Amino acid sequence: GDSVTQMEGPVTLSEEAFLTINCTYTATGYPSLFWYVQYPGEGLQLLLKATKADDKGSNKGFEATYRKETTSFHLEKGSVQVSDSAVYFCALRGYGGATNKLIFGTGTLLAVQP
Amino acid sequence: DAGVTQSPTHLIKTRGQQVTLRCSPKSGHDTVSWYQQALGQGPQFIFQYYEEEERQRGNFPDRFSGHQFPNYSSELNVNALLLGDSALYLCASSLYRGLNEQFFGPGTRLTVL
Repeated sequence: GDSVTQMEGPVTLSEEAFLTINCTYTATGYPSLFWYVQYPGEGLQLLLKATKADDKGSNKGFEATYRKETTSFHLEKGSVQVSDSAVYFCALRGYGGATNKLIFGTGTLLAVQP
Repeated sequence: DAGVTQSPTHLIKTRGQQVTLRCSPKSGHDTVSWYQQALGQGPQFIFQYYEEEERQRGNFPDRFSGHQFPNYSSELNVNALLLGDSALYLCASSLYRGLNEQFFGPGTRLTVL
């Protein structure tokens, strides 16, 4: 079945450092891909998405490119801030069907130090 | 717009008891999905409701059941609670048709003792 694998955390960075969180997926067809962020004590917020190959999703300085050839959707940010500290989840939604069920990775905790 | 709301925020139950969690979707949304997020894990899909019917179900036992009301709000019921049911339960709302974004509520933290 469909699945998502993302790098284990925690990832600890200093403020203004470059961030990469790796995400790869297994799916049939052409899934849509997402990054969600979860701040302490809160639910999930959609950070960015891409719905077809070579699409680049971007939001709040974060970017991710849908790479079908490598089945990857790595999250990047050029300069992280303390306020970016959170858990980041990569997710996919399968192609077709009558539902928009999301399949999540296990999450990566990012801790940014001043 | 209040967004997706869930109640209660926290809940403590003992093994064997039953629990009901509630969710009100974002204004204009007609579909509600429920997810279970165990500590340190990603959310796992439980089921989805549209037009008051369960449309798809994840790999969860029949102890997990749900309901959707005519106003699109939803309940998640769990019977015969086990210690392993302790988790954050997330509700997400969306529009059924098309590839629409799911909006998540803050969740209900269930602890089973």
